[in-house]
Amino acid sequence: DAGVIQSPRHEVTEMGQEVTLRCKPISGHDYLFWYRQTMMRGLELLIYFNNNVPIDDSGMPEDRFSAKMPNASFSTLKIQPSEPRDSAVYFCASSISYTGNTIYFGEGSWLTVV
Amino acid sequence: SQKIEQNSEALNIQEGKTATLTCNYTNYSPAYLQWYRQDPGRGPVFLLLIRENEKEKRKERLKVTFDTTLKQSLFHITASQPADSATYLCALYSSASKIIFGSGTRLSIRP
Repeated sequence: DAGVIQSPRHEVTEMGQEVTLRCKPISGHDYLFWYRQTMMRGLELLIYFNNNVPIDDSGMPEDRFSAKMPNASFSTLKIQPSEPRDSAVYFCASSISYTGNTIYFGEGSWLTVV
Repeated sequence: SQKIEQNSEALNIQEGKTATLTCNYTNYSPAYLQWYRQDPGRGPVFLLLIRENEKEKRKERLKVTFDTTLKQSLFHITASQPADSATYLCALYSSASKIIFGSGTRLSIRP
């Protein structure tokens, strides 16, 4: 398996623009997670899905952020409008289950909002 | 409030020595704890999982301990090598909360 695949790897965008990050989880994994990593706040869980259904989005910073999982092999994280404080590395991860199993991370999407 | 702390931001040790990293938590009763390794520009990679009823877990040169009384996990790398240099993250799962990651300890092994 190729692992969790994220795109784009790097994105530089201007403030106010819409940003869409994409993720393909590992086949057969029922859980998908979106994390954000910054120097100040470390790795934060934004939202996670179980069988394509959003379960906990309490980590989503505000209404500018939205996430979807239309099918088992694809998820998006959208920021509209983007702000400089959204600059971070966004990781998608997947797991067979939520408890007691390895979380497999993608390589991340490095977002810079100028 | 619930908190996870990893002992220091950075740890520098001599090659061949044992590196010991600490993960302390408050206000959790974690069912298990995981350790991950993260290299610069890469995503975290799972290393070890230890459950609340386990005291110690080993994998090659890695050893993890879990003391639920002290609310602490120790992560040891024996016979450390420069290739072990990375950031190490601990993560907790508690039945009352989501999976939470510590901020990480950046380990540097000098030749």
